[in-house]
Amino acid sequence: QKEVEQNSGPLSVPEGAIASLNCTYSDRGSQSFFWYRQYSGKSPELIMSIYSNGDKEDGRFTAQLNKASQYVSLLIRDSQPSDSATYLCAVSLTGANNLFFGTGTRLTVIP
Amino acid sequence: GAVVSQHPSRVICKSGTSVKIECRSLDFQATTMFWYRQFPKQSLMLMATSNEGSKATYEQGVEKDKFLINHASLTLSTLTVTSAHPEDSSFYICSARDPINQPQHFGDGTRLSIL
Repeated sequence: QKEVEQNSGPLSVPEGAIASLNCTYSDRGSQSFFWYRQYSGKSPELIMSIYSNGDKEDGRFTAQLNKASQYVSLLIRDSQPSDSATYLCAVSLTGANNLFFGTGTRLTVIP
Repeated sequence: GAVVSQHPSRVICKSGTSVKIECRSLDFQATTMFWYRQFPKQSLMLMATSNEGSKATYEQGVEKDKFLINHASLTLSTLTVTSAHPEDSSFYICSARDPINQPQHFGDGTRLSIL
């Protein structure tokens, strides 16, 4: 059974702080990892992808992957109220098309 | 960047009606498209994988005769909810996998309300 676990939150951080979102997965065959942002009533929007161990930075976002610990995280620096959304972690296996989603973490950035 | 277009964005109709939702990849050829359903405050649940030129692969518990999927071209997949009932009311979202860049890109979703 393929499981992707996220803390559902809500996670509240003040504006300008670092928001840290975590995700664990159960299948060691997982090779591709994604973070999507979903605003209420909207469809998910891809914000980060990561495929190898370590950190990947893109603007205010940093994805961290540790395959040994089966753990992937997303850091949002200088959080803004516009970052308030649900963040979905998604995982896929080698050569597989399917994405397996976590239940999402709801982030609120307080002005 | 990659764009996936989904239409219509919202449907309200009577019980027993069949509803067709279109999903188009606008700037890449998608051999594989995906259909998800999302109930309020829940995560996305994969319903089926749509493969161009072949039958869709349905997830366990999804009725293939109720949710008809057609993927007739590399840029278009359709989902038809046949004889829809109130329990089919949900947010339906399609995605397309960019074969070059790998991530799935989502359409804007269709909010289906069956009265």
